[in-house]
Amino acid sequence: DTGVSQNPRHKITKRGQNVTFRCDPISEHNRLYWYRQTLGQGPEFLTYFQNEAQLEKSRLLSDRFSAERPKGSFSTLEIQRTEQGDSAMYLCASSPLSLGANEQFFGPGTRLTVL
Amino acid sequence: GDSVTQMEGPVTLSEEAFLTINCTYTATGYPSLFWYVQYPGEGLQLLLKATKADDKGSNKGFEATYRKETTSFHLEKGSVQVSDSAVYFCALSEPNQAGTALIFGKGTTLSVSS
Repeated sequence: DTGVSQNPRHKITKRGQNVTFRCDPISEHNRLYWYRQTLGQGPEFLTYFQNEAQLEKSRLLSDRFSAERPKGSFSTLEIQRTEQGDSAMYLCASSPLSLGANEQFFGPGTRLTVL
Repeated sequence: GDSVTQMEGPVTLSEEAFLTINCTYTATGYPSLFWYVQYPGEGLQLLLKATKADDKGSNKGFEATYRKETTSFHLEKGSVQVSDSAVYFCALSEPNQAGTALIFGKGTTLSVSS
């Protein structure tokens, strides 16, 4: 299967700890997106990469959040000093540069629980 | 800013019933419109899309027509199956800016019983 993969699928942590999630996009997809989804809500945009460059960041992305995409392949999303309000599903999506209409392909998500 | 409003669920139907899930949007320009589906335990999958007014997207028996005059993109299916039980999300993106974010509605849960 060559879809978008995310690891870990589940993460339970204590408040104040740091966590890091990984996303492996579909091969050759230049664009990579992170979203956050809380219960009963649709996904909300966090940040966007084109190759290794982080081109957009949402106001939702506080200074405790940092994302990287070294070499334009996989991406990591780190949350420092986690808070209970960070509990959510973190989704990664990718799309090729040439595909129209901003069609994005989503991974299964990482569910974060902060105790 | 841009936004998407979906009918609240859950929607509960019997197999072979007709389905409509309403979606309206607010946008400054002429966005592209999407329906994504999320089956239990799985990631979001694109169901269908439309990029301009009067376009009809269709897939797996589902259809939605881009109505600029009513700023709507309602999802329909003539005969639902148990396997259609899932959460459905309406979304938009700004035209000609393929790198920008998708803006989603809150999602509508569909439950189909046999």
